[in-house]
Amino acid sequence: DQQVKQNSPSLSVQEGRISILNCDYTNSMFDYFLWYKKYPAEGPTFLISISSIKDKNEDGRFTVFLNKSAKHLSLHIVPSQPGDSAVYFCAASDSGGGADGLTFGKGTHLIIQP
Amino acid sequence: DVKVTQSSRYLVKRTGEKVFLECVQDMDHENMFWYRQDPGLGLRLIYFSYDVKMKEKGDIPEGYSVSREKKERFSLILESASTNQTSMYLCASSPTRRRLDYEQYFGPGTRLTVT
Repeated sequence: DQQVKQNSPSLSVQEGRISILNCDYTNSMFDYFLWYKKYPAEGPTFLISISSIKDKNEDGRFTVFLNKSAKHLSLHIVPSQPGDSAVYFCAASDSGGGADGLTFGKGTHLIIQP
Repeated sequence: DVKVTQSSRYLVKRTGEKVFLECVQDMDHENMFWYRQDPGLGLRLIYFSYDVKMKEKGDIPEGYSVSREKKERFSLILESASTNQTSMYLCASSPTRRRLDYEQYFGPGTRLTVT
């Protein structure tokens, strides 16, 4: 049973517009959420995170929103740039702590069109 | 900067061979992880370790084992490689077991092909 779901395998957005990537989760024990970005032939790199005690976290062009009642989070990138083209993974962790691994979604391939 | 290195970027092995994938981190992190990434399946946790000589099974440990003899090094072992273990293998580390240290740092990955 998939606990972290990214239902859009790919997303195409024009350069300069807003990119919105969505993620849903089913495990109510998850209390920390992260977004990772991955280029081909490279390891994922951490982008932004949010604790369940917050509903929004912002870092430059990147904002993550968390809706706990809906078990839904989203990553907003504005404005989108060509270098943002990558696969984005949503990940979650429960109260077991950071040592117990993360549960990842299947990823969304974001393509920024010039 | 945290650095996680993996011994090989690309590896080709034959069915039945014993395969060792090595991972080293240079930031004195307590926790280390092995994932595999497959198209349409995302990243799946194979094994993790939160201390030297400690190991815990992840979601898909079958066919794999691990070794952590030193804090900085975490090895993934395929005892008898099979074609369904053809995948991208990613090693990661994170600082401690404290609640807020969830961020994991990944190595560049090893693309393993089993023929």
